Amino acid sequence: DADVTQTPRNRITKTGKRIMLECSQTKGHDRMYWYRQDPGLGLRLIYYSFDVKDINKGEISDGYSVSRQAQAKFSLSLESAIPNQTALYFCATSPTGGPYNEQFFGPGTRLTVL
Amino acid sequence: GQSLEQPSEVTAVEGAIVQINCTYQTSGFYGLSWYQQHDGGAPTFLSYNALDGLEETGRFSSFLSRSDSYGYLLLQELQMKDSASYFCAVMGTADYQLIWGAGTKLIIKP
Repeated sequence: DADVTQTPRNRITKTGKRIMLECSQTKGHDRMYWYRQDPGLGLRLIYYSFDVKDINKGEISDGYSVSRQAQAKFSLSLESAIPNQTALYFCATSPTGGPYNEQFFGPGTRLTVL
Repeated sequence: GQSLEQPSEVTAVEGAIVQINCTYQTSGFYGLSWYQQHDGGAPTFLSYNALDGLEETGRFSSFLSRSDSYGYLLLQELQMKDSASYFCAVMGTADYQLIWGAGTKLIIKP
């Protein structure tokens, strides 16, 4: 079984719709992250959470919100999707106190906003 | 601000050695990491340099020089399966966020 799962894997939606991307992990990690990846731009951090009660904005949080429902679940919402939010979205986890830079990624969600 | 620069693309021959460079500008960071990403896949962790010097893991080695704001990933005995994008990343000491380079696409020819 995959340690970090994301649903859906692919989603096509229309401008203005509200979309939720979900992430679950069985690694027992406290820290969870949401990134988006655009061609030629690498990964950019949207939000991160160091525990259930700790949510932090990343580099590009505008237009997004998150919910940490439990240690194992971290959801990303697009309140009103727009075409420039078309991208590949990754959820990642890392252990508290472990090598700071080692993160474990889910398979990604490819989102298209028409 | 913090930024990392890497070449956008590198081409090498199967069986050869290739070096992917990463230069960075940051006020403070915990260490330099490298990740591999195959087309359509998720990034996977390769290596981490907390201190200056060379770290070796099998065919892959990574180097960091804080005084030169520079690091590199060295891949030896290249195999076709090494065709992928490689990202360097640093975590800032101020906010514990990973900052990523734009990635280097490694193309391997037979």
